[in-house]
Amino acid sequence: ELKVEQNPLFLSMQEGKNYTIYCNYSTTSDRLYWYRQDPGKSLESLFVLLSNGAVKQEGRLMASLDTKARLSTLHITAAVHDLSATYFCAVLTYNTDKLIFGTGTRLQVFP
Amino acid sequence: EAQVTQNPRYLITVTGKKLTVTCSQNMNHEYMSWYRQDPGLGLRQIYYSMNVEVTDKGDVPEGYKVSRKEKRNFPLILESPSPNQTSLYFCASWTGTYEQYFGPGTRLTVT
Repeated sequence: ELKVEQNPLFLSMQEGKNYTIYCNYSTTSDRLYWYRQDPGKSLESLFVLLSNGAVKQEGRLMASLDTKARLSTLHITAAVHDLSATYFCAVLTYNTDKLIFGTGTRLQVFP
Repeated sequence: EAQVTQNPRYLITVTGKKLTVTCSQNMNHEYMSWYRQDPGLGLRQIYYSMNVEVTDKGDVPEGYKVSRKEKRNFPLILESPSPNQTSLYFCASWTGTYEQYFGPGTRLTVT
């Protein structure tokens, strides 16, 4: 059974600092997704990573995928308050259409 | 505008009273899914559909039914709701490869 773990679950960081959120998964997969959710809102797609070594960047966020290590990272550079949200990674199980989500990382950025 | 719509957005009901949450997408996507979101548990897949008349169970299908008679619609049916089905529900659609598009969510309370 595929398990997806995110670390940390909660992250409080100062504006201007850098940090990384980790997403580990337990079985073979080559498709990983990152989503953002604001309080009371739906999920918004951030990144789609479809192969080993894939790296995507958008603004202050950069995501990468290492399928051999079964690890994806979401790196935050010079955090700003607008990045405060909950971030989810999700993994597509190999040869199925099941998408398994991590429990989420709640990020708070303070001045 | 590409979108996934859900109705109702909020629903309070009593135990045992059958209800249906509708989901519709206008992107001609083959794949559609239902998720429930509970604090500390992230999103868990209830059912998914790969195309018209093709559905499969996700991780938490007990107490739910779905149907896919048309490509654009994927209703979630609770035949006899119970309090443990109180949750935030999301419908999503996608091509099967790239990101999923999520609906706005339905907050269900069963008393």
